[in-house]
Amino acid sequence: DVKVTQSSRYLVKRTGEKVFLECVQDMDHENMFWYRQDPGLGLRLIYFSYDVKMKEKGDIPEGYSVSREKKERFSLILESASTNQTSMYLCASSFYATGELFFGEGSRLTVL
Amino acid sequence: ELKVEQNPLFLSMQEGKNYTIYCNYSTTSDRLYWYRQDPGKSLESLFVLLSNGAVKQEGRLMASLDTKARLSTLHITAAVHDLSATYFCAVAAKTSYDKVIFGPGTSLSVIP
Repeated sequence: DVKVTQSSRYLVKRTGEKVFLECVQDMDHENMFWYRQDPGLGLRLIYFSYDVKMKEKGDIPEGYSVSREKKERFSLILESASTNQTSMYLCASSFYATGELFFGEGSRLTVL
Repeated sequence: ELKVEQNPLFLSMQEGKNYTIYCNYSTTSDRLYWYRQDPGKSLESLFVLLSNGAVKQEGRLMASLDTKARLSTLHITAAVHDLSATYFCAVAAKTSYDKVIFGPGTSLSVIP
């Protein structure tokens, strides 16, 4: 079975702190994604990566950056957390051939 | 820009009844996915539709794709309470198969 593991299920941070969310997949998938999910707004794509060191912006990249130094690991970075970044963050990975996404359990971030 | 719409957004149906959820998208694509999300959980892949006319069935759920109409349907047959969940469709942008955009989700409640 595909396993996508997100490093933290719950985080509480203060405004202005730097936040790292990490995601690891064990199926050698080419593609990895970060989404945020908010009530009434569905899932919105922040960034995705189609190869090591390659990234593309999604629909809401402002305030976020990403890093993919190894194929299995994709990190989401909030350089200076703000309260409007309080959300559920979902990592996913997929094979290029089918594009089917496999999701991690999610990381619920609260910024105070 | 790829937009994905679903209707209805909320659906309350009686056990034993049939119903269809619709997913429309705005630009050319032949890759469409259906996911299920239970409260407090992450997303689980239900169907992968990769060509015009594709039809997939699993239990009481059947999904189809019409790429010419830019429409997918998720048909529920003889609903049971266990199908209560939020259902998302997602579409891969034709210009870049790596970018997958989600619809807003349909919250389904099956009542006895």
